[in-house]
Amino acid sequence: GAGVSQSPRYKVTKRGQDVTLRCDPISSHATLYWYQQALGQGPEFLTYFNYEAQPDKSGLPSDRFSAERPEGSISTLTIQRTEQRDSAMYRCASSAGLAGGPGELFFGEGSRLTVL
Amino acid sequence: SQQGEEDPQALSIQEGENATMNCSYKTSINNLQWYRQNSGRGLVHLILIRSNEREKHSGRLRVTLDTSKKSSSLLITASRAADTASYFCATGPSYTGTASKLTFGTGTRLQVTL
Repeated sequence: GAGVSQSPRYKVTKRGQDVTLRCDPISSHATLYWYQQALGQGPEFLTYFNYEAQPDKSGLPSDRFSAERPEGSISTLTIQRTEQRDSAMYRCASSAGLAGGPGELFFGEGSRLTVL
Repeated sequence: SQQGEEDPQALSIQEGENATMNCSYKTSINNLQWYRQNSGRGLVHLILIRSNEREKHSGRLRVTLDTSKKSSSLLITASRAADTASYFCATGPSYTGTASKLTFGTGTRLQVTL
């Protein structure tokens, strides 16, 4: 696609429910990132994919968080048994990659999650 | 956890003045990038500087990198009201590979007034 698309833009859920957020990256991009951003803070790294491989998931806060990118394109971030502290903006970004390091990231508009 | 810390946390200047914000980081890097974020919108890439570069320019932006001090600065010259935003530095670790983790700093909130 023309840009990174995330859905839903807003999600309100009750504590204990599972939520799944979706990211559709720029079609030619090999690398996809997930970040969590609290209001007034910088994005916190959650995980990234290189095609369907997930080399680093060190930023996932707990085993309630998981991400997939089964065909190397669209990715989902799932939060099980949501807690109020999970309320945040979840941002997806994609990158064409750069030899020897992370290249320029293109961000979507984010999915704002509110857990009541 | 945040790799970088921006300084100052907030900066208010008048239109036409220059704005300088600094970023310090902790571990060795492959490259350092700067991003802008307007009012909670998505982040937009501004400039990338590699670890073997010391200075880079793009339009009204000038970025410097001092790997010995693990610090970078972003200078915006002749600022405009439209430059009002939060600015973040982001670093990629110094290991080989075509892709890797990019860690963002805490951000500087820039306010440019008329």
